[in-house]
Amino acid sequence: AQSVTQLDSHVSVSEGTPVLLRCNYSSSYSPSLFWYVQHPNKGLQLLLKYTSAATLVKGINGFEAEFKKSETSFHLTKPSAHMSDAAEYFCVVSVNNNDMRFGAGTRLTVKP
Amino acid sequence: EAGVAQSPRYKIIEKRQSVAFWCNPISGHATLYWYQQILGQGPKLLIQFQNNGVVDDSQLPKDRFSAERLKGVDSTLKIQPAKLEDSAVYLCASSHDRDIMADTQYFGPGTRLTVL
Repeated sequence: AQSVTQLDSHVSVSEGTPVLLRCNYSSSYSPSLFWYVQHPNKGLQLLLKYTSAATLVKGINGFEAEFKKSETSFHLTKPSAHMSDAAEYFCVVSVNNNDMRFGAGTRLTVKP
Repeated sequence: EAGVAQSPRYKIIEKRQSVAFWCNPISGHATLYWYQQILGQGPKLLIQFQNNGVVDDSQLPKDRFSAERLKGVDSTLKIQPAKLEDSAVYLCASSHDRDIMADTQYFGPGTRLTVL
């Protein structure tokens, strides 16, 4: 079975500074990797996904993530944080759309 | 395009009672998922359907949880009898087809269950 580890349960940044949310995965097969965002009292929304087409994946709202097989990582970044980015972020791994495994989540706080 | 619908949004029951949740996926989506999200944790997949067939229910506590998707469209998840540790948000998601690589899941708003 595959798994993901989100290395930080909480990240706090100032508005306008870069965001880095870290995710490491474990999988015996070629994985698909996703980042989802969950705003308070709203449903989970897909930010971006990796499907082996390109290692650098661009998503919505200026987020991007880089798949690094040698480091088994799929970290999420954004050059400049906005107040509206404050939310819970989940890294997800699956193989052939089976056995979806979510990480524990990283809560992002953005200070004015 | 209408999103994934779930009802009820909130439910409070006493332990040992039964409860059922309903999900209507996005029209045309073949794959449907039920997740359990306990406070402070990531969602955990309970069961995955492809049309009206079960693809994966390895993490479903089958002694008390059951789910069905009889006509391959909407689905119900039932807990009978409920335990205190079942307090969680139950999320439903749907996607076009699990045979599409990294198929995007669309999530409903969830049902928040409190077991007293």
